[in-house]
Amino acid sequence: KAGVTQTPRYLIKTRGQQVTLSCSPISGHRSVSWYQQTPGQGLQFLFEYFSETQRNKGNFPGRFSGRQFSNSRSEMNVSTLELGDSALYLCASSLLGTERNIQYFGAGTRLSVL
Amino acid sequence: AQRVTQPEKLLSVFKGAPVELKCNYSYSGSPELFWYVQYSRQRLQLLLRHISRESIKGFTADLNKGETSFHLKKPFAQEEDSAMYYCALNESEGGYNKLIFGAGTRLAVHP
Repeated sequence: KAGVTQTPRYLIKTRGQQVTLSCSPISGHRSVSWYQQTPGQGLQFLFEYFSETQRNKGNFPGRFSGRQFSNSRSEMNVSTLELGDSALYLCASSLLGTERNIQYFGAGTRLSVL
Repeated sequence: AQRVTQPEKLLSVFKGAPVELKCNYSYSGSPELFWYVQYSRQRLQLLLRHISRESIKGFTADLNKGETSFHLKKPFAQEEDSAMYYCALNESEGGYNKLIFGAGTRLAVHP
């Protein structure tokens, strides 16, 4: 099976712009979670989607949003970018059932805000 | 608040030495704990989880609810164990997924 795929791998934006990141989960996985990784704050949970619904959200401002499509693919959007949004954004997918809480991570999208 | 603490940023050992990476947590419910590992230039991947009670690559971790700890251990470190290790708590109610990560410990195994 193909793993979690995130596109693009790298992005450079300027302050005030908005950005959209994409995540394709492992085939059959219906839960998609997003995390932000920075040297200062480490790995922080952004939100989780399941069946096109946001089930859980971390402590991030409303500029961070996401959605999930009927094929389980997910996108996250950051509007009005700030310098502090520079980070590695990781997507993870998981299966239901006994394996439901094992999350499989993508390689990430590295966002640089100038 | 739920929290995962990994007190060591860096753990440096020689090949063949025992390894213990510490992890303490605070959680009001019944914890579901994991160790994830990230090797150089690879993606974050699951190493083991407490409910499996298995040994992966020689590593084991036991959940100690009294001490709220989930330390990762290996009796004889290998150079290929060098990586970043993250302890994580799944703050989930009703099967949702929300991993709370520790800051991570970099394990360096020297020849």
